Amino acid sequence: SQTIHQWPATLVQPVGSPLSLECTVEGTSNPNLYWYRQAAGRGLQLLFYSVGIGQISSEVPQNLSASRPQDRQFILSSKKLLLSDSGFYLCAWSVLSATDTQYFGPGTRLTVL
Amino acid sequence: KQEVTQIPAALSVPEGENLVLNCSFTDSAIYNLQWFRQDPGKGLTSLLLIQSSQREQTSGRLNASLDKSSGRSTLYIAASQPGDSATYLCAVRQVYGNKLVFGAGTILRVKS
Repeated sequence: SQTIHQWPATLVQPVGSPLSLECTVEGTSNPNLYWYRQAAGRGLQLLFYSVGIGQISSEVPQNLSASRPQDRQFILSSKKLLLSDSGFYLCAWSVLSATDTQYFGPGTRLTVL
Repeated sequence: KQEVTQIPAALSVPEGENLVLNCSFTDSAIYNLQWFRQDPGKGLTSLLLIQSSQREQTSGRLNASLDKSSGRSTLYIAASQPGDSATYLCAVRQVYGNKLVFGAGTILRVKS
């Protein structure tokens, strides 16, 4: 069966510090991978998605970046965090199918102080 | 630009009540619509997915309907239980691309 992991589960970082969040998927090959952010009281906002190694599409211009160094690994990064980067970050995967259902990881709670 | 709205933003009901959550979207050119459940501080769990050609889907006490032409979907929960307490999110997938557009969610509390 497929599983998706995210770490860390929670993170508190000072403004201006770097960020690296990791997401890995097991039990499937060549998945589509997604990074979402959920701010308090708001819906999920798609940040990046990837259809293959090294292929990243950005949905929202910001100080975040994403990379996909391996087929089932998706990394969200920042060189300098802003207060507005605080939120709940969710990774998801899907495979090309009739439904293309997305399956979500447990999330990372990021607080920037 | 697709926009998804969920009403109400929050709902509190006594145990055993039947309830309806509403979702509306502005662009009817969707591939499918999905309802998710999110427990506090957790990821999302898919509840029901309705393809654009379908009218409804059922799973246990849950029934989701879709009226694509009017841009509406409802999630019906029968005989609500305290364990149903969570945030319910509606999301539409556009015809083109892999993007899901989410509503802000409805926070449901079922009181025992």
